[in-house]
Amino acid sequence: QPVLTQSSSASASLGFSVKLTCTLSSGHSTYIIAWHQQQPGKAPRFLMRLEGNGDYKKGSGVPDRFSASSSGADRYLTISNLQSEDEADYYCETWDDKTRVFGGGTKLTVL
Amino acid sequence: QLQLQGSGPGLVKPSETLSLTCTVSADSISSSTYYWGWIRQPPGKGLEWIGSMYWSGDIYYNPSLKSRVIISVDTSKNQFSLKLSSVTAADTALYYCVRAEPFYYDFSWGLGRLVTVSS
Repeated sequence: QPVLTQSSSASASLGFSVKLTCTLSSGHSTYIIAWHQQQPGKAPRFLMRLEGNGDYKKGSGVPDRFSASSSGADRYLTISNLQSEDEADYYCETWDDKTRVFGGGTKLTVL
Repeated sequence: QLQLQGSGPGLVKPSETLSLTCTVSADSISSSTYYWGWIRQPPGKGLEWIGSMYWSGDIYYNPSLKSRVIISVDTSKNQFSLKLSSVTAADTALYYCVRAEPFYYDFSWGLGRLVTVSS
């Protein structure tokens, strides 16, 4: 079963960019993941699907400021031109045969 | 537009069974494209997958919860349900119902239903 590792927190300034990382456990470096955003007090929202080759497909209505990339076992979510509403928790998710698993989430603070 | 509306008691006593229902609007629960599932989030903590039900009839559960969980479907009401038995305070959480394309080409979250386990 894959394990997803995320930093617990990150911060960046308004108008700047930030790159969040989700790392797949050994033996699972080719796995596809999903990124989800959870703003304070709200239900999570699906952001995008990300493949191991870096191809990604965003969900409906996700701003162009959100993009993604991959390198080995690492999956990245990049947010450009940070806005105050981007302050949220970000979770990665993947699956393996019959089970699904989430990373622990990264709390992003916009300074 | 798809709506996933969770309903059920917001307070459950320890050792009893938690029961939630998700009513689906603007899609058929018999759709062969998606799976239907439950995810929970204890207060102040991260997301935990509970289980998923596929159009084939296959249902998969989180191994850590498998002995206590049942997910079922009522196609006549376009609903699916979650039952979690022998609950403790550790089962206090926001419970989300979701619809998802298995390979993440699409994913929709319900609003969440807070269930508190307390006597």
